[in-house]
Amino acid sequence: AQKITQTQPGMFVQEKEAVTLDCTYDTSDQSYGLFWYKQPSSGEMIFLIYQGSYDEQNATEGRYSLNFQKARKSANLVISASQLGDSAMYFCAMREVYYNQGGKLIFGQGTELSVKP
Amino acid sequence: SQTIHQWPATLVQPVGSPLSLECTVEGTSNPNLYWYRQAAGRGLQLLFYSVGIGQISSEVPQNLSASRPQDRQFILSSKKLLLSDSGFYLCAWRSRDRGQPQHFGDGTRLSIL
Repeated sequence: AQKITQTQPGMFVQEKEAVTLDCTYDTSDQSYGLFWYKQPSSGEMIFLIYQGSYDEQNATEGRYSLNFQKARKSANLVISASQLGDSAMYFCAMREVYYNQGGKLIFGQGTELSVKP
Repeated sequence: SQTIHQWPATLVQPVGSPLSLECTVEGTSNPNLYWYRQAAGRGLQLLFYSVGIGQISSEVPQNLSASRPQDRQFILSSKKLLLSDSGFYLCAWRSRDRGQPQHFGDGTRLSIL
């Protein structure tokens, strides 16, 4: 069963507007972490933001924030004031804590974001 | 600060030839190390991970193997490449501390002819 689901294969947003990228996950582990990565066309994976399952506050990093709704098992990424350089693939990932020797990440299939000038 | 080096950036190999991709990490000790493969337009598939020297765990049975001869060195190999081995290969490291993300190298684009 797929554990990370990103339902938006592609999205467009106007420059300077905010955009939300959806991510839902499935786990029976009580302790887990959720991550978002950005992959520009050059290919490198850039870590953006982290949310722990026991964190009470939503994570924020500059223009990135994570809308964490634990009961709904969703961890949406919000990018405020989009910039042209935000055009990239965005991946949501999860790391379960227990029964996860090695700290493996499970990735979603990604959302391709295009920012229009 | 920690850095991860992965090379080569691009590689074109004939079917049946051997493969060796190398990844090294600087500025940290005893990291967890990972090899991923990414098909075009798709997510990342974990191939191997290592929690210590000589300790390799394989996630997907395939034509590839991995080795960790030194603490901060991770090598992806194949004796005979297949067409299906084409893809974008990414190495990553992570410290053992709670909540730490994986940090990725720049990747190797491998084309099999």
